[in-house]
Amino acid sequence: QKEVEQNSGPLSVPEGAIASLNCTYSDRGSQSFFWYRQYSGKSPELIMFIYSNGDKEDGRFTAQLNKASQYVSLLIRDSQPSDSATYLCAVTGSARQLTFGSGTQLTVLP
Amino acid sequence: ETGVTQTPRHLVMGMTNKKSLKCEQHLGHNAMYWYKQSAKKPLELMFVYSLEERVENNSVPSRFSPECPNSSHLFLHLHTLQPEDSALYLCASSQQNRGSNEKLFFGSGTQLSVL
Repeated sequence: QKEVEQNSGPLSVPEGAIASLNCTYSDRGSQSFFWYRQYSGKSPELIMFIYSNGDKEDGRFTAQLNKASQYVSLLIRDSQPSDSATYLCAVTGSARQLTFGSGTQLTVLP
Repeated sequence: ETGVTQTPRHLVMGMTNKKSLKCEQHLGHNAMYWYKQSAKKPLELMFVYSLEERVENNSVPSRFSPECPNSSHLFLHLHTLQPEDSALYLCASSQQNRGSNEKLFFGSGTQLSVL
């Protein structure tokens, strides 16, 4: 079983729609959860982090965490073509090391 | 710019060559990392330097050798690489608190091709 699992996609949404990206993790002792965005040919860039159960909003981005279900998601409202990228979920486990998922490729269609 | 500078951006080397990747961070962070990114695979942590302590992934072959002379500079020395080592090598830094990884800031990466 992968420690951090993401649907690789590609996920396609029309411009203006809500994009929903999902991530599950196996370590119940995980404490910190991160979403990175990686444009093609570029390095990952941190866009959201969440530590507590519930929702955290930052502009068009909302991170959602459910520790009981070991599930973290990223919602992108009013998706734009510039949001087209690979989104990496990362989790700090009980061993305090960061583990990345394989990423979900998102395409926002004009 | 993230404040983490990596050179070179691209590197082509033969299996008998020796080369080094360089990373410098200008963020005042206390931890630096080397990650390997291969197509369709998760980012793989290779080495961590935190407060002068080195932590390594035991699965990393000895043909990769890190060096961290101070908290701002990190090197990855490469020798007798194999074609399967071709990948994007990313340097990152963070401000570690009580041993936990916090937010990582990545450099632009070195795209390495081993012929």
